[in-house]
Amino acid sequence: GEDVEQSLFLSVREGDSSVINCTYTDSSSTYLYWYKQEPGAGLQLLTYIFSNMDMKQDQRLTVLLNKKDKHLSLRIADTQTGDSAIYFCAETTLNSGNTPLVFGKGTRLSVIA
Amino acid sequence: NAGVTQTPKFQVLKTGQSMTLQCAQDMNHNSMYWYRQDPGMGLRLIYYSASEGTTDKGEVPNGYNVSRLNKREFSLRLESAAPSQTSVYFCASSLLGPGTSLGEQFFGPGTRLTVL
Repeated sequence: GEDVEQSLFLSVREGDSSVINCTYTDSSSTYLYWYKQEPGAGLQLLTYIFSNMDMKQDQRLTVLLNKKDKHLSLRIADTQTGDSAIYFCAETTLNSGNTPLVFGKGTRLSVIA
Repeated sequence: NAGVTQTPKFQVLKTGQSMTLQCAQDMNHNSMYWYRQDPGMGLRLIYYSASEGTTDKGEVPNGYNVSRLNKREFSLRLESAAPSQTSVYFCASSLLGPGTSLGEQFFGPGTRLTVL
């Protein structure tokens, strides 16, 4: 079945850029998402990218998609302590069967003041 | 708009007890989902309902049942709770199904369930 992989931890200094990486196996992925989960809360959609795009920018967030390598990244510019959270990459396809949205295990971002 | 709401927020059960987790959304979404989140495992789909009147199994359906009561509400039932079902349960909804431009999922705050 489809698989989405992420590194589990990332630590950055406040003001630096953070880059969270994700790889996926399903070449028919249509939409790829980034969700943020703060402690004790549900998941909040940050941004998404359609598979025919290479890049999407939204304020401090930049998403890069390399379809050839099945690699997705989320860059957070000027990282703040409020960005400390778990970030999940997820992908979906048109023919998704019993796994409509496949999540990675999440990357815990720690921002050091 | 409250978005996606879940009740209860916390629950402790003894092995063998039953309970129903409630979920409601006020966004007029067609699709609803139940996930469980365990440490180191990410989110795993239990059941989903692509539209009112339909339900389908996800990745980990054993030990659970669901009911799509109406367009707004989607409940998850544990008939005989087991310690392996200790987890955080999230409900989510989306306007349209996965793989569409309106398939992004909106999540509730979660129910933290402990089975002793």
